[in-house]
Amino acid sequence: KNEVEQSPQNLTAQEGEFITINCSYSVGISALHWLQQHPGGGIVSLFMLSSGKKKHGRLIATINIQEKHSSLHITASHPRDSAVYICAVFKRTSYDKVIFGPGTSLSVIP
Amino acid sequence: DVKVTQSSRYLVKRTGEKVFLECVQDMDHENMFWYRQDPGLGLRLIYFSYDVKMKEKGDIPEGYSVSREKKERFSLILESASTNQTSMYLCASSLWVGRAQRSSYNEQFFGPGTRLTVL
Repeated sequence: KNEVEQSPQNLTAQEGEFITINCSYSVGISALHWLQQHPGGGIVSLFMLSSGKKKHGRLIATINIQEKHSSLHITASHPRDSAVYICAVFKRTSYDKVIFGPGTSLSVIP
Repeated sequence: DVKVTQSSRYLVKRTGEKVFLECVQDMDHENMFWYRQDPGLGLRLIYFSYDVKMKEKGDIPEGYSVSREKKERFSLILESASTNQTSMYLCASSLWVGRAQRSSYNEQFFGPGTRLTVL
């Protein structure tokens, strides 16, 4: 069983829809990282969080440490949000190594 | 802004060739990482380095070696390229945990990636 799992694996949405991507993990963590990867490869950091909730524009990330679960929400989705979203956790016992989830591929259709 | 650059965006090599992938960061980060990314498998750590001349094996080091002679530069070497090393290679860097502010705890900054094809 993978230590970090994401759901759904693939997601297609209509422009304007509210989108949720889930991340669950099975190890103790220090922090969780949401990343975005556009076609072409470059990876951009969206959020780092270790508790509660963070918001940036139309993106909201939440984490529940007790339930070992995080969600990434996109409000009023737009075709430019089409990308792969990756959840990564910083394992508490290992300072600088990160465990990545498999990614969720999002396609937003106009 | 943190800048992580990689020497090539696309690379085509033949089986058996020695391949060098180079990564440079301009933010004085102690930690540097090499990952490969394959469909369905996500990002997997090949090697990382937490200081000049220091290296640690990641999850899939076989067939690879690394070099860190200067703090800003981390090289990945494929001694004898094979077709199963065709992949996207991503470099990343981060502050050493001892210096990181809580709000940017170990955040990794990625380069644009090198898509390597071995024929």
